[in-house]
Amino acid sequence: NAGVTQTPKFRVLKTGQSMTLLCAQDMNHEYMYWYRQDPGMGLRLIHYSVGEGTTAKGEVPDGYNVSRLKKQNFLLGLESAAPSQTSVYFCASSGKGGQNTEAFFGQGTRLTVV
Amino acid sequence: AQSVSQHNHHVILSEAASLELGCNYSYGGTVNLFWYVQYPGQHLQLLLKYFSGDPLVKGIKGFEAEFIKSKFSFNLRKPSVQWSDTAEYFCAVTNSGGYQKVTFGTGTKLQVIP
Repeated sequence: NAGVTQTPKFRVLKTGQSMTLLCAQDMNHEYMYWYRQDPGMGLRLIHYSVGEGTTAKGEVPDGYNVSRLKKQNFLLGLESAAPSQTSVYFCASSGKGGQNTEAFFGQGTRLTVV
Repeated sequence: AQSVSQHNHHVILSEAASLELGCNYSYGGTVNLFWYVQYPGQHLQLLLKYFSGDPLVKGIKGFEAEFIKSKFSFNLRKPSVQWSDTAEYFCAVTNSGGYQKVTFGTGTKLQVIP
């Protein structure tokens, strides 16, 4: 049981380049989330999804796009990377109702934009 | 909308000192509450959770938390901290029905000095 898997684990981009981060979960969770974590700023929600085919903006959505074409996958895209997007990105998923609401996290992606 | 406040951003303790980290949430309905821990360089992992029943919840590594409904609080405690408890701690809330996403606090960094 893999839980939540993020790829890649590390990436260096040049300013203006694009990339996609992939998050996959095998727990049949309805909710999926993308966060960024920067020193001294805790976790900040970028986008989230409440189910296949749906997405919603979080606190810091600018410069990012997401898609959830399949229930188990949640993609985070950077169309034109900027140095301000240098961060550690975490994906998470959670289920609906009762004891399924516990969130599980991926291992993180460390992105550097130069 | 639900929200979570963690008032202590950075806590420094000596080994064997007692720990209490504050967490207050804002939500009018029935809640599920969580504490997560993030060790340096790692992803968030579940420390303990409250769904219903006994408001005093025991988690891993000697941690416990008490749900006080009247105060909208879910404070984390440990009687005697160890150097290995150095980490960042996140409180989280969602509604029990599962029709809202999980919301995280901004985190508290705990540094334990040997």
